[in-house]
Amino acid sequence: AQKVTQAQTEISVVEKEDVTLDCVYETRDTTYYLFWYKQPPSGELVFLIRRNSFDEQNEISGRYSWNFQKSTSSFNFTITASQVVDSAVYFCALSEAFMGNTPLVFGKGTRLSVIA
Amino acid sequence: EAQVTQNPRYLITVTGKKLTVTCSQNMNHEYMSWYRQDPGLGLRQIYYSMNVEVTDKGDVPEGYKVSRKEKRNFPLILESPSPNQTSLYFCASSLDNTDTQYFGPGTRLTVL
Repeated sequence: AQKVTQAQTEISVVEKEDVTLDCVYETRDTTYYLFWYKQPPSGELVFLIRRNSFDEQNEISGRYSWNFQKSTSSFNFTITASQVVDSAVYFCALSEAFMGNTPLVFGKGTRLSVIA
Repeated sequence: EAQVTQNPRYLITVTGKKLTVTCSQNMNHEYMSWYRQDPGLGLRQIYYSMNVEVTDKGDVPEGYKVSRKEKRNFPLILESPSPNQTSLYFCASSLDNTDTQYFGPGTRLTVL
């Protein structure tokens, strides 16, 4: 069965520090998709990135970067030079690809607090 | 603007009083889904729909119904709400069942 583990429940950093959010996943499928979503205090779920299992290239988008390593089943998320607006709960999620329902399986989330 | 909308955003109701939470998307997405978010339990899928008139149960369907008569709408129906259905509900849609799911703003439901 698929599972996503975000071991860090809460992280607190000072503004401008770099921070890495860990995500470890389990799946028996060879084809799957990994996601990160952000949930700010206002409550909505904001999509950040989608990765398929065949693309292990790291990705950078502004201050955000993602490191996907199949060998360790990890898909970690780094925020460089954190800002107060980055304060949110971040969810890692996994969906398996097959002909049918592909619900997102979410980790429990990591609450990031960035202090000015 | 491409979006998923949900209404109402907040609802307080009493046990047994039927209610419907609407969900609509303007992206011509085929796949739609409902999730609930609870402290300590995370986000769990309630129901999903692969296309018009095609719906099925997710992980926690008890006490809920859905319908998909049109591609854009996917309402969630609670025929007889109970306090254990107090939760934050999200509707999501995606182009197909493997694509990125985009979420609505959420509906915070309290059942007294």
